Amino acid sequence: GENVGLHLPTLSVQEGDNSIINCAYSNSASDYFIWYKQESGKGPQFIIDIRSNMDKRQGQRVTVLLNKTVKHLSLQIAATQPGDSAVYFCAQKSGANNLFFGTGTRLTVIP
Amino acid sequence: SQTIHQWPATLVQPVGSPLSLECTVEGTSNPNLYWYRQAAGRGLQLLFYSVGIGQISSEVPQNLSASRPQDRQFILSSKKLLLSDSGFYLCAWAIPAGLGYEQYFGPGTRLTVT
Repeated sequence: GENVGLHLPTLSVQEGDNSIINCAYSNSASDYFIWYKQESGKGPQFIIDIRSNMDKRQGQRVTVLLNKTVKHLSLQIAATQPGDSAVYFCAQKSGANNLFFGTGTRLTVIP
Repeated sequence: SQTIHQWPATLVQPVGSPLSLECTVEGTSNPNLYWYRQAAGRGLQLLFYSVGIGQISSEVPQNLSASRPQDRQFILSSKKLLLSDSGFYLCAWAIPAGLGYEQYFGPGTRLTVT
């Protein structure tokens, strides 16, 4: 996809603050979205997902917001901790079998 | 529970040498399987996916090929590696389930072509 060649945007937050990571998606027909967390040298791990019939879903310390009008997805992390430092990817369902991944955002938590 | 394995974890190979990376999944049947490549500091690029034994779909033209000889085994190969093949290779599996499904990633193989 066209996003894979771009350098990652970065976000730095102070420990204990809330983090908001944003993602703009392109396929308005997609009905499923996911956020992944990737720590250095590891494979991506599932954080939270949301279906297009919802606009908000909450997990443990994380909330995903979906705005279909402007095709925008966000991940909110409450009380950010050093262990939250990682690259975060949004992905949307693409076709019957695939996910299309966004560029990713590198989150750095400052102790 | 399901587990996905990849090996080797790291690999250094000279230009022009062959490549074989293996991925196996345990604890599930008939999964969709995927190979991704990730360049340093960049996003995920889908290389191949498979919905069944012997069924391979290629997403981008390249120096690599994939095979699925068994239901839970996915192999990434090359006859002659290029410098541009260096990267972090990730295998993933998924079970299509209704409207949405999650892909589960393996630990990855870091390939350096010298």
